[in-house]
Amino acid sequence: GQQVMQIPQYQHVQEGEDFTTYCNSSTTLSNIQWYKQRPGGHPVFLIQLVKSGEVKKQKRLTFQFGEAKKNSSLHITATQTTDVGTYFCAGRNFNKFYFGSGTKLNVKP
Amino acid sequence: KAGVTQTPRYLIKTRGQQVTLSCSPISGHRSVSWYQQTPGQGLQFLFEYFSETQRNKGNFPGRFSGRQFSNSRSEMNVSTLELGDSALYLCASTPPTGATDTQYFGPGTRLTVL
Repeated sequence: GQQVMQIPQYQHVQEGEDFTTYCNSSTTLSNIQWYKQRPGGHPVFLIQLVKSGEVKKQKRLTFQFGEAKKNSSLHITATQTTDVGTYFCAGRNFNKFYFGSGTKLNVKP
Repeated sequence: KAGVTQTPRYLIKTRGQQVTLSCSPISGHRSVSWYQQTPGQGLQFLFEYFSETQRNKGNFPGRFSGRQFSNSRSEMNVSTLELGDSALYLCASTPPTGATDTQYFGPGTRLTVL
């Protein structure tokens, strides 16, 4: 069945280091979204990518959608302690919405 | 606009009992989805409702059910609770425009089954 996998599961970085999480789907997605969940909070929408090969930036965050629309990545440049949380990708395949397993980011000051 | 609200925020039940959780979407949103979040399984899709009709359903047993009312408010019910049902239950609503799948999540209901 449909699966959306994310790696790594956990990432510990020193403040100022870069961070990347990867999302891979077993099937083509019509779009991909990224969410951030702070500890004790709920997922908050960050961005949606729709086009094959699309790249979007939000300040220190860069999002990419693969050419085959089956994978995506989120890259954070020069992490800050405010980046702590779990980052989820999510994508739609026909009528269903699938969330990745999430990457938990810890940033040491 | 007010965000998605969920009640109650916390709930403690015992095995065998049933529970009903409530979700009020953002005003104007007609699609409501429910998710179960556990440390081991991540975010698992339960079901999606649109205009009072269940549009999609995840792979959960029949003990999990839901409904949506004409004002778009939604409820989910879990009958014959099991220990493994302990989780954070999240509700999310989606704007009416077709161009986005953006989901706006509520704060969740944390259910503990003893």
